[in-house]
Amino acid sequence: NAGVTQTPKFQVLKTGQSMTLQCAQDMNHEYMSWYRQDPGMGLRLIHYSVGAGITDQGEVPNGYNVSRSTTEDFPLRLLSAAPSQTSVYFCASRRQGAVFFGQGTRLTVV
Amino acid sequence: KNEVEQSPQNLTAQEGEFITINCSYSVGISALHWLQQHPGGGIVSLFMLSSGKKKHGRLIATINIQEKHSSLHITASHPRDSAVYICAGQGAQKLVFGQGTRLTINP
Repeated sequence: NAGVTQTPKFQVLKTGQSMTLQCAQDMNHEYMSWYRQDPGMGLRLIHYSVGAGITDQGEVPNGYNVSRSTTEDFPLRLLSAAPSQTSVYFCASRRQGAVFFGQGTRLTVV
Repeated sequence: KNEVEQSPQNLTAQEGEFITINCSYSVGISALHWLQQHPGGGIVSLFMLSSGKKKHGRLIATINIQEKHSSLHITASHPRDSAVYICAGQGAQKLVFGQGTRLTINP
């Protein structure tokens, strides 16, 4: 039981490049979500999913896409990276009770 | 709108002191999560509370539903407790996060 696996841990992108942050969980959780964490801003919700085939926007969805084709996987796509997307990204899953976070991805867009 | 307010923002204490971090939340929050994040590290769930009190080692979390208030206590604090502690309210679909409390325990 690996919990929530998030990759990569670090990434540097050039402005305009695209990339996908991977998130997988093996706990059969229906609810998965992506957050960004910026200094002084706390955790902000980007997108979330309440089950396979269902996604919805959070507070700061612009510039990001998600899909949920399986219960296990919830990738986050940056369509055209901008310096404002420099942040630490966390994936999380929960069912009832505790929430589980991935290890985080530190993304720098130059 | 669901809101979560956390205090203090920063807390410095000496090893051995009793620590309290507070969290107030608005209507629409059905449960409260307490999370811990060490510098440069991941986020770990400490507790989820919908009523009463929970204890794990030196950590105690309480919630008062009528007052919409929760507290995280650390007894006999230790430098390894230095971290950011985050409370998060569970809304209908989403977690609503407080800004976090940066705790520093000096030896």
